[in-house]
Amino acid sequence: EAGVVQSPRYKIIEKKQPVAFWCNPISGHNTLYWYRQNLGQGPELLIRYENEEAVDDSQLPKDRFSAERLKGVDSTLKIQPAELGDSAVYLCASSPGTLYGTGELFFGEGSRLTVL
Amino acid sequence: QKEVEQNSGPLSVPEGAIASLNCTYSDRGSQSFFWYRQYSGKSPELIMFIYSNGDKEDGRFTAQLNKASQYVSLLIRDSQPSDSATYLCAVNGPYGNKLVFGAGTILRVKS
Repeated sequence: EAGVVQSPRYKIIEKKQPVAFWCNPISGHNTLYWYRQNLGQGPELLIRYENEEAVDDSQLPKDRFSAERLKGVDSTLKIQPAELGDSAVYLCASSPGTLYGTGELFFGEGSRLTVL
Repeated sequence: QKEVEQNSGPLSVPEGAIASLNCTYSDRGSQSFFWYRQYSGKSPELIMFIYSNGDKEDGRFTAQLNKASQYVSLLIRDSQPSDSATYLCAVNGPYGNKLVFGAGTILRVKS
């Protein structure tokens, strides 16, 4: 079974440029998460989708970040314009349902963003 | 106060020793607790979860939970160099739909 697939793995851009990350979750997983992980920190939730609905986007900086999950499958996270402080690893994760089960999130390999 | 707190380490232990990793959380209504392991440059992977007070053992790993003290720990027996990684404590909130991670503890097992 294929895991969570993310692209690109690495992205280097100049500040004020736009950037987009793509995620394809494990087949059948209804819940999709975007986390941001800064160096030396744990992952921080940006947005959570249940199917195509964003049910928790309270931590998403909406002035520059946007996300979509059309048709409840793959998802795109966009930053426009990027700032120096956005340099981080953007992790996509999926789970079969709510976290009442094992709480296991299946993470992708992440997209490492460097903003110069 | 951070929702989930961990000592950043690094925690250094010799091969074969017991490594003890600790975590405290602020939301008394938290329902479930998880330990994820993250190797350098890799994504986190689940190694243990615990819901009830007490101990839960899985191979060389034991998770301990004390809800009264809002404290979770992970013991790794017979530590191996391959256990060297960052260990992330994660807590599921009272509504069961939000996993909050600590900053992680770096573990180094010296051979």
